[in-house]
Amino acid sequence: NAGVTQTPKFQVLKTGQSMTLQCAQDMNHEYMSWYRQDPGMGLRLIHYSVGAGITDQGEVPNGYNVSRSTTEDFPLRLLSAAPSQTSVYFCASSYLSPGGNEQFFGPGTRLTVL
Amino acid sequence: AQSVAQPEDQVNVAEGNPLTVKCTYSVSGNPYLFWYVQYPNRGLQFLLKYITGDNLVKGSYGFEAEFNKSQTSFHLKKPSALVSDSALYFCAVRGVESGGFKTIFGAGTRLFVKA
Repeated sequence: NAGVTQTPKFQVLKTGQSMTLQCAQDMNHEYMSWYRQDPGMGLRLIHYSVGAGITDQGEVPNGYNVSRSTTEDFPLRLLSAAPSQTSVYFCASSYLSPGGNEQFFGPGTRLTVL
Repeated sequence: AQSVAQPEDQVNVAEGNPLTVKCTYSVSGNPYLFWYVQYPNRGLQFLLKYITGDNLVKGSYGFEAEFNKSQTSFHLKKPSALVSDSALYFCAVRGVESGGFKTIFGAGTRLFVKA
């Protein structure tokens, strides 16, 4: 049981480049989410999904795109990278029930945009 | 809108002393409250949660938290701190907004336990 896995661990992009951050979980969790962590700002929700084919926006969705074709995978796409997207990105998953379930987090992807 | 405030950027305690990490929240409806801990270069780990019932919640590693509805607070506590408790702690809340599927995190409080 690998839990939540993320790839890559580190990435450096140039402004304007696009890329996909991968996230997978093997716990059959319906709910998956993406956060970014910036110093002094905690974690901010980018996008989330309550099941395959269903996604919704979080607090800071601009510049990011997601899709959920399977229960296991929830990739995050940066359409045109900007320096403001330099951050640490975390994927998380949980069983689905409004409110009550704690999330399991991946190890994170550290992204630098030059 | 949902929000969480952690008023202290850093908390310093001596090993063996009690510790408190503060959290206040604002949410519509009944809150679901969580504490997570982050060790260096790691993802977040769940510590404890309040859903309903007893206002004192016990969690992992000897931590507990007290839910106070009138003060809209959910402070994290431990009777006797360990050096290994040094980490970054996050309070989080879910309310009825967006069907209860959005978790909002505080900015985090760094706990430093001195030997």
